[in-house]
Amino acid sequence: GNSVTQMEGPVTLSEEAFLTINCTYTATGYPSLFWYVQYPGEGLQLLLKATKADDKGSNKGFEATYRKETTSFHLEKGSVQVSDSAVYFCALTSGSRLTFGEGTQLTVNP
Amino acid sequence: DAGITQSPRYKITETGRQVTLMCHQTWSHSYMFWYRQDLGHGLRLIYYSAAADITDKGEVPDGYVVSRSKTENFPLTLESATRSQTSVYFCASSEPQLWGTEAFFGQGTRLTVV
Repeated sequence: GNSVTQMEGPVTLSEEAFLTINCTYTATGYPSLFWYVQYPGEGLQLLLKATKADDKGSNKGFEATYRKETTSFHLEKGSVQVSDSAVYFCALTSGSRLTFGEGTQLTVNP
Repeated sequence: DAGITQSPRYKITETGRQVTLMCHQTWSHSYMFWYRQDLGHGLRLIYYSAAADITDKGEVPDGYVVSRSKTENFPLTLESATRSQTSVYFCASSEPQLWGTEAFFGQGTRLTVV
């Protein structure tokens, strides 16, 4: 079956630091890949997505590239802000069902 | 208001009681989902529905019942609540696309079973 593995958290960074959150997946066929973000007290919202190999998803300064050869979709941001503090979920869909990773808690300190 | 809404936002119930969590979406999306979020487990799918009157089990369906008589509503019932069902519950909806189907989430219901 499908599965998603994220780097374990929590992750604590200082403002303007570089962020990487690793994500690898196992899936049959050709899944689409997503990063969702959950701010405190809220539901999940889509951050970015990529639908085929070598696609790069980007939004709000975050980027992730769909790497089929390494089955990875790592999330990066060059300079994090305090407002980026949240839980980040990597996910894939093959069909209509989403499979999520465990989530990575990010805290950015001023 | 357009979107997906869950009610209640917070609920405390006693062991053995029946409790129903409500989910309503205004987009007429075909698919609806119920997830639970627990520390160390991420989001786990409880049940999902592909259309009105069509439902199917996810990863962790035991102890839960769902129904979908109307496209816009997808209530989740805990028939006899247990402490292990203390969790945050999220409802989501989506409309299938050829590639990259995005799901939209409600704000969640925090359920405590005492």
